[in-house]
Amino acid sequence: ETGVTQTPRHLVMGMTNKKSLKCEQHLGHNAMYWYKQSAKKPLELMFVYNFKEQTENNSVPSRFSPECPNSSHLFLHLHTLQPEDSALYLCASSQEPNPYYGYTFGSGTRLTVV
Amino acid sequence: KQEVTQIPAALSVPEGENLVLNCSFTDSAIYNLQWFRQDPGKGLTSLLLIQSSQREQTSGRLNASLDKSSGRSTLYIAASQPGDSATYLCAVGGGGADGLTFGKGTHLIIQP
Repeated sequence: ETGVTQTPRHLVMGMTNKKSLKCEQHLGHNAMYWYKQSAKKPLELMFVYNFKEQTENNSVPSRFSPECPNSSHLFLHLHTLQPEDSALYLCASSQEPNPYYGYTFGSGTRLTVV
Repeated sequence: KQEVTQIPAALSVPEGENLVLNCSFTDSAIYNLQWFRQDPGKGLTSLLLIQSSQREQTSGRLNASLDKSSGRSTLYIAASQPGDSATYLCAVGGGGADGLTFGKGTHLIIQP
């Protein structure tokens, strides 16, 4: 495996379910990110983990809970979501503090909340 | 707060034309700027990365320029092909694990 891998690719969940999104990077990067992409809106940065420490939380509702057990893995735990949370969730990684080679994105998880 | 604007929002041109996509940003204190391509329902594919000290980057039929002082970047696509149809996203990076700030994208359709 190379690059940034996200699983599952598609997820349908009810509002009372609990599920988790997984992201794994094989690039040796030390920072990982969760982004949300909704229709008609720019990609929104949700969470940043730098050296496994969360450094950014852009006012994301508590029903989204990130976890970064090591610099290669990132999870997004989901519970009691709302239909408006349906979106494409993208994971990215970079080498900080100077991302000379830019950011690498995964293929995303398409989430549908019913 | 950094804001990124992309113009036009949508563009449809016949195959073979050369075209320019525009990106502007409000805060010139950037570390780098990255252009991505996104196909429907898919993730982001990096096309070109320009460091703040650079003026342009080229890859095949693509050329991206950066004028940091005026807060502008352009993506030039030469001899467009139907396979170029996608959404093109411009994103600026502040470095220091700040992540990227994205524009809304330009939805490009190349007519055969």
